[in-house]
Amino acid sequence: GEDVEQSLFLSVREGDSSVINCTYTDSSSTYLYWYKQEPGAGLQLLTYIFSNMDMKQDQRLTVLLNKKDKHLSLRIADTQTGDSAIYFCAESGTGGFKTIFGAGTRLFVKA
Amino acid sequence: EAGVTQSPTHLIKTRGQQVTLRCSPISGHTSVYWYQQALGLGLQFLLWYDEGEERNRGNFPPRFSGRQFPNYSSELNVNALELEDSALYLCASSPRGLRNLGELFFGEGSRLTVL
Repeated sequence: GEDVEQSLFLSVREGDSSVINCTYTDSSSTYLYWYKQEPGAGLQLLTYIFSNMDMKQDQRLTVLLNKKDKHLSLRIADTQTGDSAIYFCAESGTGGFKTIFGAGTRLFVKA
Repeated sequence: EAGVTQSPTHLIKTRGQQVTLRCSPISGHTSVYWYQQALGLGLQFLLWYDEGEERNRGNFPPRFSGRQFPNYSSELNVNALELEDSALYLCASSPRGLRNLGELFFGEGSRLTVL
């Protein structure tokens, strides 16, 4: 079945880059997403990438997709304390409309 | 515009009891999704409703059920509560799935504690 895996914790210093990695199993995934969950809040879509793209850049965020290895990464440049949150990788397959989420990576940003 | 709203925000139940959680989607959204976020397990897909019909179901026992009303709001019912049902239950909505990129809009969740 479909599965999305990501590491549970990442700690970086303020100003450094953060890279959060994710692997997925569904080769028919159409969209891949990164959601952010701040303490006490629901998830919010941070960015997404279509499966026919290799890279997407949006201000401080860079998403890289290696479809062959089914590997997705999110790079946050110049990480700030306000970026501390849980980041969820997710995928949605063609026709299924069922979004599968990873367990989430908790990002700690040290001042 | 109001976002996805869920109620109650917190509740405590005991084993064997039943609970009903409620969700109001964003106006104009016809799809409602329910997820369970248990500690350390990420989001587990529970149910998807669209246009009043159950469209997909995750790997949960039948004591997890729900429905969607004509106004697209939704209820999640959990019968015979077990300790491991303690979790944050998140509701999300989206416009009709066929025409959007699949972005889900989440509520803040209902935190259920089973004692």
